[in-house]
Amino acid sequence: GAGVSQSPSNKVTEKGKDVELRCDPISGHTALYWYRQSLGQGLEFLIYFQGNSAPDKSGLPSDRFSAERTGGSVSTLTIQRTQQEDSAVYLCASSLGSSSTDTQYFGPGTRLTVL
Amino acid sequence: AQSVTQPDIHITVSEGASLELRCNYSYGATPYLFWYVQSPGQGLQLLLKYFSGDTLVQGIKGFEAEFKRSQSSFNLRKPSVHWSDAAEYFCAVIGGGSYIPTFGRGTSLIVHP
Repeated sequence: GAGVSQSPSNKVTEKGKDVELRCDPISGHTALYWYRQSLGQGLEFLIYFQGNSAPDKSGLPSDRFSAERTGGSVSTLTIQRTQQEDSAVYLCASSLGSSSTDTQYFGPGTRLTVL
Repeated sequence: AQSVTQPDIHITVSEGASLELRCNYSYGATPYLFWYVQSPGQGLQLLLKYFSGDTLVQGIKGFEAEFKRSQSSFNLRKPSVHWSDAAEYFCAVIGGGSYIPTFGRGTSLIVHP
């Protein structure tokens, strides 16, 4: 595709509900990243996928957060039993490879609001 | 561990004025350094990056940044700001052996006509 796409663009949910956020990376990009951007904060790394390797989950804040990447392309970030502190913008990025010098291309994000 | 500090939360400049956004990093060796811009409702877009070589880096949209090892800084500059430059700017660093960037908290640029 032309760029990284994310859906939905906005999601409002009630505390305790589960949510799924979707990311479609650029075609051919093997690396995919999820970040969380809270109000007034920088980007917080959540999880990283590279090809068929086991994902780097070191940034996930709790076991309520999980993510998968199917067929090396589309990724879904799932938050179970949402809490108000989960409210943030969730950004996805992809890059051609996993080298530090590979440019990350970001999607527009999903704004999650937990009431 | 690597870290990034952007000391200015907000910067206000007049259109046509020059701009400098500050970024300081903490890392033992020479890091990889990046500046991103985020317009409202958009994802981040890479402005420029530094890996090695010439310490003055040119980017898109007329931006440049200078790596100063002695000051652990990578400040972003633009000689003449346009109203369309109003956005959030993020500095990021990747330390050797890592592939995950650490981002600063961002600087919000406000441009007055």
